[in-house]
Amino acid sequence: NAGVTQTPKFRVLKTGQSMTLLCAQDMNHEYMYWYRQDPGMGLRLIHYSVGEGTTAKGEVPDGYNVSRLKKQNFLLGLESAAPSQTSVYFCASNRERDGYTFGSGTRLTVV
Amino acid sequence: GENVGLHLPTLSVQEGDNSIINCAYSNSASDYFIWYKQESGKGPQFIIDIRSNMDKRQGQRVTVLLNKTVKHLSLQIAATQPGDSAVYFCAERKQAGTALIFGKGTTLSVSS
Repeated sequence: NAGVTQTPKFRVLKTGQSMTLLCAQDMNHEYMYWYRQDPGMGLRLIHYSVGEGTTAKGEVPDGYNVSRLKKQNFLLGLESAAPSQTSVYFCASNRERDGYTFGSGTRLTVV
Repeated sequence: GENVGLHLPTLSVQEGDNSIINCAYSNSASDYFIWYKQESGKGPQFIIDIRSNMDKRQGQRVTVLLNKTVKHLSLQIAATQPGDSAVYFCAERKQAGTALIFGKGTTLSVSS
């Protein structure tokens, strides 16, 4: 039982490049989330999904897009990366009334 | 923005002492609260949770206290160990089906 798996673990992008971060969970959770974590800022919600085929904006959605085509996967896309998107990205999932299970994070640097 | 804050950004204790990490939350209607532990280079790990109809919950070496009157949440760690050194986050949920809102974290340092 792997829990929540994020790929890749590290990535360096040039400004303007695009990429997709993949989150996969094997717990049959309905809810999935993408957070970013910056020094001194805690965890901030980017986008989330309450079920397959649905997505919603969080606190800091600008510059990101998401898709939830399959229940077990939640993709986070950066269409044109900017240095301000340098961060550690965490995916999480849960059932409605339970706490989150987090992945181990993706460290992204945009130069 | 949202305001789930922690009173102190850092806390230093001696091994064997009891630690208390505090958190003030913003929404009196929040129904669910969680404490997470995050070690360097890892994702947050669930420690303990509490629902708004309770004021205390105990786990192994940890206790969470909820004071809804003053919107205050605390995490008590008994007999703190070096392995407890990490960043601790509190989080609140405003209502079922919404996302958790996290505080900025308290760094706990345990010295031997």
